[in-house]
Amino acid sequence: GQQLNQSPQSMFIQEGEDVSMNCTSSSIFNTWLWYKQDPGEGPVLLIALYKAGELTSNGRLTAQFGITRKDSFLNISASIPSDVGIYFCAGRVNYGGSQGNLIFGKGTKLSVKP
Amino acid sequence: DGGITQSPKYLFRKEGQNVTLSCEQNLNHDAMYWYRQDPGQGLRLIYYSQIVNDFQKGDIAEGYSVSREKKESFPLTVTSAQKNPTAFYLCASSVRQANPYEQYFGPGTRLTVT
Repeated sequence: GQQLNQSPQSMFIQEGEDVSMNCTSSSIFNTWLWYKQDPGEGPVLLIALYKAGELTSNGRLTAQFGITRKDSFLNISASIPSDVGIYFCAGRVNYGGSQGNLIFGKGTKLSVKP
Repeated sequence: DGGITQSPKYLFRKEGQNVTLSCEQNLNHDAMYWYRQDPGQGLRLIYYSQIVNDFQKGDIAEGYSVSREKKESFPLTVTSAQKNPTAFYLCASSVRQANPYEQYFGPGTRLTVT
């Protein structure tokens, strides 16, 4: 089946630092979504991408739809303590016109640097 | 306010019992989804429904059942046939299957079976 590789699995942030994470796939996707999940809560949609090369921002968050259509990147600028949580990418394959369901990465866990 | 509600937040059951998880949305979305989340894992699709009175199996449907009698409601039953039912269950909805395609999640139900 389809798989998404999300990296890094975890990282520590210090307030003010920029953060980057990415997802790669063996398949071509026509949609990329980025979510943030706090402990014990449902994921919250951060950014949605629909076109190869698209670059979209949401406050300090910026995400890009890779031009190969097999990857996506999320950057957080000037991180703050409330950025901690788990970030998930999700992609959707277009099967020759028939829309597939979302496939999720395993998440990138952001924690505060001790 | 529009949104997705799941109840209860925490659920405890004895092994061998069926249990039904509730999911309601007032977003007027056509499509609804059930996911299972295990620690350190991405979300896995159990069932989805694109329209009332119709639903399809996802990747891990065995041991689960659903119904979609109303647009707003998509309850999930975890049956005694599900071998590892303890997990965090998330319900989601989207306007439709076509783009723009954005899934919104409820707060989740944590099920513990002993």
